[in-house]
Amino acid sequence: AQTVTQSQPEMSVQEAETVTLSCTYDTSENNYYLFWYKQPPSRQMILVIRQEAYKQQNATENRFSVNFQKAAKSFSLKISDSQLGDTAMYFCAFMKHSGGSEKLVFGKGTKLTVNP
Amino acid sequence: NAGVTQTPKFQVLKTGQSMTLQCAQDMNHEYMSWYRQDPGMGLRLIHYSVGAGITDQGEVPNGYNVSRSTTEDFPLRLLSAAPSQTSVYFCASSSTSGTGPYNEQFFGPGTRLTVL
Repeated sequence: AQTVTQSQPEMSVQEAETVTLSCTYDTSENNYYLFWYKQPPSRQMILVIRQEAYKQQNATENRFSVNFQKAAKSFSLKISDSQLGDTAMYFCAFMKHSGGSEKLVFGKGTKLTVNP
Repeated sequence: NAGVTQTPKFQVLKTGQSMTLQCAQDMNHEYMSWYRQDPGMGLRLIHYSVGAGITDQGEVPNGYNVSRSTTEDFPLRLLSAAPSQTSVYFCASSSTSGTGPYNEQFFGPGTRLTVL
């Protein structure tokens, strides 16, 4: 079974600064996907960024980027130029490539607070 | 498109009562799933379905029943509610017939359930 570990229950950052959230995972699969989801106080789950394991290039989406280290099974999220709207819970998630069974395994989350 | 809708948004039950959480999607997605979110636990998969008439158990299925009679609807039934089922419940859906290797999961807004 796959497991996802987020070792930082809470983090804070000053507005406009950069913060990195950590995520490690354990799997014997070779083909899989990794995701970061954002959950603001509204409770809605929002996909921030995804990474295919077969791609060596790290994914980026505007101010969000990942550092994917497949051998180390590490998948950290970097948020640049932090904004107050980035305040939220962030969940790292794993999905194996199973062709139609899109089961997600989530970490326990990191609560990020952006301070003005 | 309304996306993924869930009703009700909030519910309070007494121990032993039964109820059904409703989930519907209008995107013609084959895959639908239910997760529960507890403080400090992330999201955990309860049940999932890869198409009408097909359901399977996830990580934490005990105490819950599901059925999938149509592509659009995937209700979650609590037959005899227990305080341990106090949680926030999310429904999600995705297409499994896309041209890419991965199909994004879309989440509903969640149902907060309290069992007294």
